[in-house]
Amino acid sequence: QKEVEQDPGPLSVPEGAIVSLNCTYSNSAFQYFMWYRQYSRKGPELLMYTYSSGNKEDGRFTAQVDKSSKYISLFIRDSQPSDSATYLCAMTYHGATNKLIFGTGTLLAVQP
Amino acid sequence: EAQVTQNPRYLITVTGKKLTVTCSQNMNHEYMSWYRQDPGLGLRQIYYSMNVEVTDKGDVPEGYKVSRKEKRNFPLILESPSPNQTSLYFCASRTGLGELFFGEGSRLTVL
Repeated sequence: QKEVEQDPGPLSVPEGAIVSLNCTYSNSAFQYFMWYRQYSRKGPELLMYTYSSGNKEDGRFTAQVDKSSKYISLFIRDSQPSDSATYLCAMTYHGATNKLIFGTGTLLAVQP
Repeated sequence: EAQVTQNPRYLITVTGKKLTVTCSQNMNHEYMSWYRQDPGLGLRQIYYSMNVEVTDKGDVPEGYKVSRKEKRNFPLILESPSPNQTSLYFCASRTGLGELFFGEGSRLTVL
């Protein structure tokens, strides 16, 4: 079993939809949770960074962490065609921050 | 502009022919790392470096070498490439707060 599981998609939604992207994990020690966005032929870029449980909002993006269920989510409101990309979750824990564990990524397509 | 620069971006080579992928960052970050990205397997860490002359293995170090002689540069060396090293490679550097900045990737094909 992988430490981090992520549905690869592809996920296709119409413009303006609310998108929900999810990851589950098995290591209860994970404390730091990140979402990266990767456009085609580009390197990943950090979207959201959260510590422990709870929600964090940044514009149209909301990151949610539920440590009791070992489940993290990224919500995108009012999705735009420019949001079309692969979204990678990543996580680590205190004392192991040199090693970030990535999900395999979910490919999102927002149709105009 | 803050950036991580990798070269070459694309390379086709043959089994056994040594190659080096260069990586340079202009953000004065102490931490740098190399990842490979494969379909269905995601990003996996090859090596990382906490500072000049300090390197350590990641999850998939076999067949790779690195060196860190200067803070800004962190080359990845494949001494004797094999077809299973065909992959998309990313170099990254990290801020003190843990944010990784990735290069644009180097697509390597080993025939």
